Amino acid sequence: NAGVTQTPKFHILKIGQSMTLQCTQDMNHNYMYWYRQDPGMGLKLIYYSVGAGITDKGEVPNGYNVSRSTTEDFPLRLELAAPSQTSVYFCASSSWSGTGTYSNQPQHFGDGTRLSIL
Amino acid sequence: RKEVEQDPGPFNVPEGATVAFNCTYSNSASQSFFWYRQDCRKEPKLLMSVYSSGNEDGRFTAQLNRASQYISLLIRDSKLRESATYLCVVKVNQFYFGTGTSLTVIP
Repeated sequence: NAGVTQTPKFHILKIGQSMTLQCTQDMNHNYMYWYRQDPGMGLKLIYYSVGAGITDKGEVPNGYNVSRSTTEDFPLRLELAAPSQTSVYFCASSSWSGTGTYSNQPQHFGDGTRLSIL
Repeated sequence: RKEVEQDPGPFNVPEGATVAFNCTYSNSASQSFFWYRQDCRKEPKLLMSVYSSGNEDGRFTAQLNRASQYISLLIRDSKLRESATYLCVVKVNQFYFGTGTSLTVIP
């Protein structure tokens, strides 16, 4: 039962470098999300996707980009990394956000990527 | 106004105590409600969904009051291993997370 898998688990990046955080899910969920969580703070939504080919901005999208070419994968790209992007990044997925039977479907989280930018 | 508000705590309770967390939400059109648990530096994990009629899972009871727009989580006979942050989550068109309530169960 893999669920949501994130790689890498830890990474140190230099200021100005770029990198891609990988996220894949094997539950055939159409919704996927990226959050960041700073120490002692709540989750903040960066980007989300309602299905392959469709992405939308969340609360804190600046400095990030996403793509959703398949149902399974939802990579998050950091361009020109800055110290303010030091955080723990969580990817999550959920099934159809409709009404009735499917409306009470929760999010499932990956175990996070701990990113430091120095 | 925040979509979801929680008392951040911390709640420090002796082992075996009963502890209750409350959470309020602002959007009356909210569709689904959940409690998640997050251990230090770990991912949030679903603790339980909250149903309109209230629901129980062992020592955990969740209740929803749509008229007053709040949900609650009651933990009876709390255990040391239940020290964590408890997140209230409300779904309208997307998921909205509270900032969490910190619980420490003391021996």
